[in-house]
Amino acid sequence: EDQVTQSPEALRLQEGESSSLNCSYTVSGLRGLFWYRQDPGKGPEFLFTLYSAGEEKEKERLKATLTKKESFLHITAPKPEDSATYLCAVQVVQGAQKLVFGQGTRLTINP
Amino acid sequence: DSGVTQTPKHLITATGQRVTLRCSPRSGDLSVYWYQQSLDQGLQFLIQYYNGEERAKGNILERFSAQQFPDLHSELNLSSLELGDSALYFCASSVEAGWGTAQYFGPGTRLTVL
Repeated sequence: EDQVTQSPEALRLQEGESSSLNCSYTVSGLRGLFWYRQDPGKGPEFLFTLYSAGEEKEKERLKATLTKKESFLHITAPKPEDSATYLCAVQVVQGAQKLVFGQGTRLTINP
Repeated sequence: DSGVTQTPKHLITATGQRVTLRCSPRSGDLSVYWYQQSLDQGLQFLIQYYNGEERAKGNILERFSAQQFPDLHSELNLSSLELGDSALYFCASSVEAGWGTAQYFGPGTRLTVL
């Protein structure tokens, strides 16, 4: 069964304190790995798509990387407005185009 | 704002009732997906439509059904509602039904079954 595990479940940082979120996956065949940001009570907001090991994507203070077994979302010098839940999802060969989501990492940035 | 709209924002109803959730995809998007988000299960895929036809099914209960209309809007029908159906229901859309295509999510409908 395709599985996506995110760690840690929750992370609290001081403003400017860089860190990384992890997304590990066990799937039959990866077609794409997606990162989303979700604010409380709102819909997930698309951030990145990664397709193959070694690929990296950047957007402002966020950088996503992909290996054969996991992906990292690096947050550099975060600000309080980066506080949100970050979701990782995969598309797999046997799964049509559905996204299989991890449980998310709840990130809090204190000023 | 993703460009995906969902109505209503909130819905409160009783057990045994039937409700309809509506979704309008982003302009130009042909594929619509429905997801359910609950505290214990996270985001779960329910069903996908592409240009009016059902493309894939996930963990969708038999009490639930959906359709996509010629104008590409979609409706999710939930019947014989149970307390456990209380959740956030999201619609997402994408340009096509291809691999690696980003899905853009709407603001969701919060369903409360009393």
